[in-house]
Amino acid sequence: NAGVTQTPKFRVLKTGQSMTLLCAQDMNHEYMYWYRQDPGMGLRLIHYSVGEGTTAKGEVPDGYNVSRLKKQNFLLGLESAAPSQTSVYFCASSYGDRGPPGSSYEQYFGPGTRLTVT
Amino acid sequence: TQLLEQSPQFLSIQEGENLTVYCNSSSVFSSLQWYRQEPGEGPVLLVTVVTGGEVKKLKRLTFQFGDARKDSSLHITAAQPGDTGLYLCAGAGGYNKLIFGAGTRLAVHP
Repeated sequence: NAGVTQTPKFRVLKTGQSMTLLCAQDMNHEYMYWYRQDPGMGLRLIHYSVGEGTTAKGEVPDGYNVSRLKKQNFLLGLESAAPSQTSVYFCASSYGDRGPPGSSYEQYFGPGTRLTVT
Repeated sequence: TQLLEQSPQFLSIQEGENLTVYCNSSSVFSSLQWYRQEPGEGPVLLVTVVTGGEVKKLKRLTFQFGDARKDSSLHITAAQPGDTGLYLCAGAGGYNKLIFGAGTRLAVHP
């Protein structure tokens, strides 16, 4: 099992450019999440999905869009990148309510994508 | 708004020392988790605590959930360089979402 994978690992964008980050999981997890991590601020939830075809906003959704067309994939899009979106982006997945008892909040993270917007 | 505060922010110690990091909130959480994150990698789950007063041990790491389920602590005995990393606590925030603290960055020097 590869677990949670993210592509690309690094990316540099110019202000106004667009890009899509791809997250894939092979654990048959129902829920998937996108976070950003900035120094001193911990992990902040951007968007999440509780199942194929569904998405919802998290704590900091502005400037981002997501799609979950397949259960195993969760895409994060930046339509017009801004320097404030320079960050490390993490994808995570979890069983949600369909996993073993006590596991619903346990999240498995990918290795991250380091994005710089100049 | 549920918030988790971690202290200290930074900790630099020598190999063999003991340490405790704290995770505090004014909110009650149904469960709380601790993750460790190494440079260039994603967080990895260490433990989940669910019951108030619960204590869990993972080798040299001891995790405790406060009686009121508002706080937690992580104690490391005889720290080793391999313990170096960012320790994050996260509380169950409803709808299977987690609320993360800002983390404690630990450096253990040989």
